[in-house]
Amino acid sequence: DAGVTQSPTHLIKTRGQQVTLRCSPKSGHDTVSWYQQALGQGPQFIFQYYEEEERQRGNFPDRFSGHQFPNYSSELNVNALLLGDSALYLCASSQLAGGLTDTQYFGPGTRLTVL
Amino acid sequence: AQSVTQLGSHVSVSEGALVLLRCNYSSSVPPYLFWYVQYPNQGLQLLLKYTSAATLVKGINGFEAEFKKSETSFHLTKPSAHMSDAAEYFCAVSEADTGRRALTFGSGTRLQVQP
Repeated sequence: DAGVTQSPTHLIKTRGQQVTLRCSPKSGHDTVSWYQQALGQGPQFIFQYYEEEERQRGNFPDRFSGHQFPNYSSELNVNALLLGDSALYLCASSQLAGGLTDTQYFGPGTRLTVL
Repeated sequence: AQSVTQLGSHVSVSEGALVLLRCNYSSSVPPYLFWYVQYPNQGLQLLLKYTSAATLVKGINGFEAEFKKSETSFHLTKPSAHMSDAAEYFCAVSEADTGRRALTFGSGTRLQVQP
């Protein structure tokens, strides 16, 4: 059973560019959450998608946007990149039907470097 | 609003010694609490979770944690450290009963295990 997969593994961009990161959830999961983990810090919640809609959002600017597809996979888009956007971006999937106690399973992350 | 404080960004123990990683939380609603482990260049793996059942929670790899409401704590312990336990450990909280599933993480504790 494949776990959560993310692509690409690493990415280098320059300031002002746009980037798209991709996530495929664990089999049977219908909810995808995105987190940003800066170096030496804990992950910070960006947003969560369920039924192709953004259900909850953290304290991130509108430059961060997302999408969920009918097959439950998801994309994270970041526009007008800043140096401070350099981080490990983690995708987590869960099953809404599992209730509030459902576990979030994390992918290996995409390391984004902004120069 | 919720937050997590992990006391000690670095903890070093000898192989075979007790592991104690501290986590205190703040939440305006009953919390669900989690411990995740992150190995270098990997995503997060769930060690254990508290979801309002038993206050003493047993997880994988011999770890356990005790929920103490009066102390707002959820410390992680393991009786005997193994070299393979060296990693970064994150405590996280989410809101029970509100449907808001975003995880709020602490800043992490790096565990070193000396031979």
